Amino acid sequence: DAGITQSPRHKVTETGTPVTLRCHQTENHRYMYWYRQDPGHGLRLIHYSYGVKDTDKGEVSDGYSVSRSKTEDFLLTLESATSSQTSVYFCAISQDPNTIYFGEGSWLTVV
Amino acid sequence: AQKVTQAQTEISVVEKEDVTLDCVYETRDTTYYLFWYKQPPSGELVFLIRRNSFDEQNEISGRYSWNFQKSTSSFNFTITASQVVDSAVYFCALRRGQAGTALIFGKGTTLSVSS
Repeated sequence: DAGITQSPRHKVTETGTPVTLRCHQTENHRYMYWYRQDPGHGLRLIHYSYGVKDTDKGEVSDGYSVSRSKTEDFLLTLESATSSQTSVYFCAISQDPNTIYFGEGSWLTVV
Repeated sequence: AQKVTQAQTEISVVEKEDVTLDCVYETRDTTYYLFWYKQPPSGELVFLIRRNSFDEQNEISGRYSWNFQKSTSSFNFTITASQVVDSAVYFCALRRGQAGTALIFGKGTTLSVSS
């Protein structure tokens, strides 16, 4: 199994509070991704990174920011969480087009 | 534009029935990759198969088989003699051929297998 760790795995937070999800990898892969999964929508790309300090927006980036100060860590931040951001968040890593590995997911509930 | 369509939202079968999950994709690229993932009730994504655009050979792995047809832009997944443990959400995904590109997922098909 690829070395990907997402934290926290489960979180309940209140509307308006900031939340940071962390994706940590031990594979030294260049590319990292954050997806969210919602019923009826599949997985949608939020942000991705193609290197340290190099990030770009995905399909559903509004309300989210990311940072990658080290190769191994990709942080997803909800500056002010809303109920619409209740979702399951998956991190993924990749080094080439052939392979992509997913983390185990982080369940976020905004109440 | 890249797009993946899984027209079947939910499928219910009885154990031992065969079932086919459809996946239709859109891309203008000549090099691309297609994937299938399984998401059981526990929530993790389980990789099932990857196929590149230059390999149209069908693949069989135990009770699972995949039919890739570029002529119809389809990459269908068949489970033979389904079992209760096959109950899950199944996702088809498309990826461009360049390094670093993200997967584009279909909306998923929920398969329920009853005993």
